[in-house]
Amino acid sequence: KAGVTQTPRYLIKTRGQQVTLSCSPISGHRSVSWYQQTPGQGLQFLFEYFSETQRNKGNFPGRFSGRQFSNSRSEMNVSTLELGDSALYLCASSLAAGLIEAFFGQGTRLTVV
Amino acid sequence: AQTVTQSQPEMSVQEAETVTLSCTYDTSESDYYLFWYKQPPSRQMILVIRQEAYKQQNATENRFSVNFQKAAKSFSLKISDSQLGDAAMYFCAYRAMNRDDKIIFGKGTRLHILP
Repeated sequence: KAGVTQTPRYLIKTRGQQVTLSCSPISGHRSVSWYQQTPGQGLQFLFEYFSETQRNKGNFPGRFSGRQFSNSRSEMNVSTLELGDSALYLCASSLAAGLIEAFFGQGTRLTVV
Repeated sequence: AQTVTQSQPEMSVQEAETVTLSCTYDTSESDYYLFWYKQPPSRQMILVIRQEAYKQQNATENRFSVNFQKAAKSFSLKISDSQLGDAAMYFCAYRAMNRDDKIIFGKGTRLHILP
């Protein structure tokens, strides 16, 4: 059974650009959550999607957005990139929202220059 | 708001010895889960052990066990017979039960295993 797949693994963008990251959950999983990991702030919750609906959102500016497709794959988008957006972005999937077990992908390392 | 605090940014332990990582949390909820995740250099976040707050018995998974003190809001991880492969960043985490998927993480403890 394939795990959570995040693409791309590494990304370098210029300040002001926008970026889209992708997350394919484990087959059959319908809930996807996104986290931002930085050395200073640690792991912070971005948002959560279940059955194509955003169920919860963290305390991030509107430049951060996401969506989930009917096949449960999710994308997150960051517009007008800032240097401070450089981080590891992790995606987690679970069978259904609220269940204990969440499985993480290996993340996308975004560097903004 | 719920918070998770790990007071030890780094720790070292001799191979084959035992080490305990500390974690405290704050919540007004009565039903929740607590986790310890391991993040090796590969960046993959791996669930090490979990504890349901309604269970009084401390969870154990092979060499890993927890000391869950609900009243004190403390959740420490004990690693016995430490192995080189245990070297990683360890995160303590909290999740409310039957609500949503949001996980709140501590800042992490980097564990070094000395050969």
